Amino acid sequence: AQSVAQPEDQVNVAEGNPLTVKCTYSVSGNPYLFWYVQYPNRGLQFLLKYITGDNLVKGSYGFEAEFNKSQTSFHLKKPSALVSDSALYFCAVRDMRRDDKIIFGKGTRLHILP
Amino acid sequence: NAGVTQTPKFQVLKTGQSMTLQCAQDMNHNSMYWYRQDPGMGLRLIYYSASEGTTDKGEVPNGYNVSRLNKREFSLRLESAAPSQTSVYFCASTINGGDYNEQFFGPGTRLTVL
Repeated sequence: AQSVAQPEDQVNVAEGNPLTVKCTYSVSGNPYLFWYVQYPNRGLQFLLKYITGDNLVKGSYGFEAEFNKSQTSFHLKKPSALVSDSALYFCAVRDMRRDDKIIFGKGTRLHILP
Repeated sequence: NAGVTQTPKFQVLKTGQSMTLQCAQDMNHNSMYWYRQDPGMGLRLIYYSASEGTTDKGEVPNGYNVSRLNKREFSLRLESAAPSQTSVYFCASTINGGDYNEQFFGPGTRLTVL
C-alpha cells in the first residue's frame, strides 16, 4: 500500500535561514508527489509537484523540492525563510500504477522566528 | 472565478441531528472530493466523485453519504451526527481523474457535534 511520512510535527527556523521540511514515501510503482500549504483557517493550497523529469522542482513562493528515488524522499526547501512562510505543510503521494487516490501526510507545522 | 466554495463555514450539531455540507466549483473540473482534517491525522478521504454521476468511497466513508448533483456541486450528508464526526471538512476538485493534477480546496467547514 502507498504511504507518506512527515517525520517532524514542527520545524522552527530563523528568518533568513534556509528551511527544509522532510517527506518520505512508499509506493509500489513510480510516484506522483505533491506539496501543499495551509494557512490558518484556510484550505490547502498547491505549492509544487513532481511527475517526471528533473529531480529538482520549483514551485510557488520560492519553494522547491528535490525528488530522491533512492532515498524515497521529496523534501521541501527554501533558501531564505520568511515569517510569512509560517504555516502547515502537507506532502502527498499517488502511485502511478494503481487506481488509488492521493494520500496526504500528517502535516508539518513550520514556524519562522523573526 | 470563485474557485471552490463551501457552506456553511461553521456548524454546531447535537448528536443524532442531520445536516448537509454543500460544495460547488466553477472551474469545470471533473473530479471532486470530500476530506476531513483532524489534528495529527492529516487529511483523510471520505468520498470522491471522478465524474458527474459517479461516486466512490474513500478511506473513512462510514456515517456519510454524498451526492454529485451536477458537474459543479458535490454535497456531503451526515444522517445522524456523532461526536466522532467533529472535524474540519474540506471539499476539493481537480480537472480530471486527479492522477497527476493538483487539487483545489475550498475554505472548509468546521463542524462540532455535541
